[in-house]
Amino acid sequence: EAGVAQSPRYKIIEKRQSVAFWCNPISGHATLYWYQQILGQGPKLLIQFQNNGVVDDSQLPKDRFSAERLKGVDSTLKIQPAKLEDSAVYLCASRGTSGTYEQYFGPGTRLTVT
Amino acid sequence: QKEVEQDPGPLSVPEGAIVSLNCTYSNSAFQYFMWYRQYSRKGPELLMYTYSSGNKEDGRFTAQVDKSSKYISLFIRDSQPSDSATYLCAMSYNQAGTALIFGKGTTLSVSS
Repeated sequence: EAGVAQSPRYKIIEKRQSVAFWCNPISGHATLYWYQQILGQGPKLLIQFQNNGVVDDSQLPKDRFSAERLKGVDSTLKIQPAKLEDSAVYLCASRGTSGTYEQYFGPGTRLTVT
Repeated sequence: QKEVEQDPGPLSVPEGAIVSLNCTYSNSAFQYFMWYRQYSRKGPELLMYTYSSGNKEDGRFTAQVDKSSKYISLFIRDSQPSDSATYLCAMSYNQAGTALIFGKGTTLSVSS
């Protein structure tokens, strides 16, 4: 079974620029999560999708972050404009149908904002 | 007070040692408790999963949950250099796909 795919793996941008990250979850997984992991911290949820609907985006800084999941499969997370404090690893995770609990994480995209 | 507290370490032990990793939490509504292992430059992977209080053993790993004290532990027996990683505790309110609340992670180094 192929894992969660993310791209790019690394990105360096200047502050005020925009950036987009892509995630392809495990096939058939209905639930998709985006987490932000700042250096030395645990992952923090940004947004959760169930199929292509948003379940929880309460911690997403909506003035600069946006996310979509078209057709309930791939997802894109965008930051515009980026700030220095957005430097972090952005992790995508997916989870199967109800009755399963495990979230499978991708390798993450490491963003550096200079 | 953060919902989940975890000592970030680092923790260094010799090969073969018993390792104890711990987390405390403040919200008694947490029901599901997990330990994830994260190697450098990789995403977290699930190591242990426990529902409510009690112990669970899987090979060299034992997870303990004490809900009365709001305290969870992960024990690693006969530690190996391949166990060198960051260990993240995580919790959730239900099994229905709610996002996980993570601790900061403890960095473990096992020397041969």
